[in-house]
Amino acid sequence: DQQVKQNSPSLSVQEGRISILNCDYTNSMFDYFLWYKKYPAEGPTFLISISSIKDKNEDGRFTVFLNKSAKHLSLHIVPSQPGDSAVYFCAATSYNNNDMRFGAGTRLTVKP
Amino acid sequence: DAMVIQNPRYQVTQFGKPVTLSCSQTLNHNVMYWYQQKSSQAPKLLFHYYDKDFNNEADTPDNFQSRRPNTSFCFLDIRSPGLGDAAMYLCATSRARAPGQALVETEAFFGQGTRLTVV
Repeated sequence: DQQVKQNSPSLSVQEGRISILNCDYTNSMFDYFLWYKKYPAEGPTFLISISSIKDKNEDGRFTVFLNKSAKHLSLHIVPSQPGDSAVYFCAATSYNNNDMRFGAGTRLTVKP
Repeated sequence: DAMVIQNPRYQVTQFGKPVTLSCSQTLNHNVMYWYQQKSSQAPKLLFHYYDKDFNNEADTPDNFQSRRPNTSFCFLDIRSPGLGDAAMYLCATSRARAPGQALVETEAFFGQGTRLTVV
């Protein structure tokens, strides 16, 4: 049962443009959402998060938007840089459990 | 300095031969997770500990067991590895979100993973 879904396995954008990565979830108990970035041969590293009491969280070039009614969140990277090329995972967790569930990831390629 | 360390990075084991993967942390986090990730798939949560409280996922095969002797260490034991168990195994830690408490940011910190090959 895939509770967190990333339907785009890959995304390619030009340097300087905006990258938008999408994530959908099915479990209405999720109340905290995270994005992780993964380079080859490394474990995922935390990038940015958002709680369900907010609809937007911004950190430098990275902004996460949450639409609770649609059970959808997105990560915006602007401007995109070649060093942003990596696999991005969306994750979610619920207030009554310490589990953390992941989507399948989206491979972002930023072309110079 | 690495805060979540997984050993070994690469493990080759024979079909049916028990194997143990290890994870240690210096963050003093009370939650530890084990994930299995196969190529191009989502990391799949196998189980997690909240302190010594073990939480097994319903679809985690009985072949997979775990031990957490103390806060710092957690082990994944695969009793009889099959070819289908070949994967990347990721360990992660986080602060706990206790029920009833205000929301606490609890991002997980991951180790580099152990890639398991079954021959």
